[in-house]
Amino acid sequence: AQSVTQLDSQVPVFEEAPVELRCNYSSSVSVYLFWYVQYPNQGLQLLLKYLSGSTLVKGINGFEAEFNKSQTSFHLRKPSVHISDTAEYFCAVSQLTGGGNKLTFGTGTQLKVEL
Amino acid sequence: GEEVAQTPKHLVRGEGQKAKLYCAPIKGHSYVFWYQQVLKNEFKFLISFQNENVFDETGMPKERFSAKCLPNSPCSLEIQATKLEDSAVYFCASSRAVGTGSTDTQYFGPGTRLTVL
Repeated sequence: AQSVTQLDSQVPVFEEAPVELRCNYSSSVSVYLFWYVQYPNQGLQLLLKYLSGSTLVKGINGFEAEFNKSQTSFHLRKPSVHISDTAEYFCAVSQLTGGGNKLTFGTGTQLKVEL
Repeated sequence: GEEVAQTPKHLVRGEGQKAKLYCAPIKGHSYVFWYQQVLKNEFKFLISFQNENVFDETGMPKERFSAKCLPNSPCSLEIQATKLEDSAVYFCASSRAVGTGSTDTQYFGPGTRLTVL
């Protein structure tokens, strides 16, 4: 079984400041890692994913994440946030083999960007 | 199409009534997934299909929930005798394949909000 922990339920930040949203996972097998964003009353949009290769992954809207196998983490970062980044962010994992590829989600982090 | 389509956007049912939700996956995608989002933050996997075959149903409450993906028809998720706790947003996602690198990303639809009164 696998699990995802997003310790921060809310992260307030001023516009143009950097931000880091934390994600830790637990799994007995190798996993794929994802970050999705959900704007109010909308579905999930993929920000970025880690499947293999370079541990620093760049995504859309200036976001990036770093996979750290020893710390089982996949933290999301942006060097300078914008008001439009205000949304709910979900970290998710799926098993590399078997498991049917279903996603296991964290409980989300509400990013609130203020002027 | 290029997006996952879900209908209806909103559905209101009285307790005990039936609810049926529909999902059209992205053209060319072989896998369909259903998730339930309760209380805005908790996503629960329900079931997945490979074409018209059930692939993984470990998350399905078998007593009242059923799902199908028939050829040339939208996939469906049906809840018989809805209960208050079924109130949630139900998301459908599709992917091209499973566990094969870049092709296994799941793309989500906009969701169906089910309210059980």
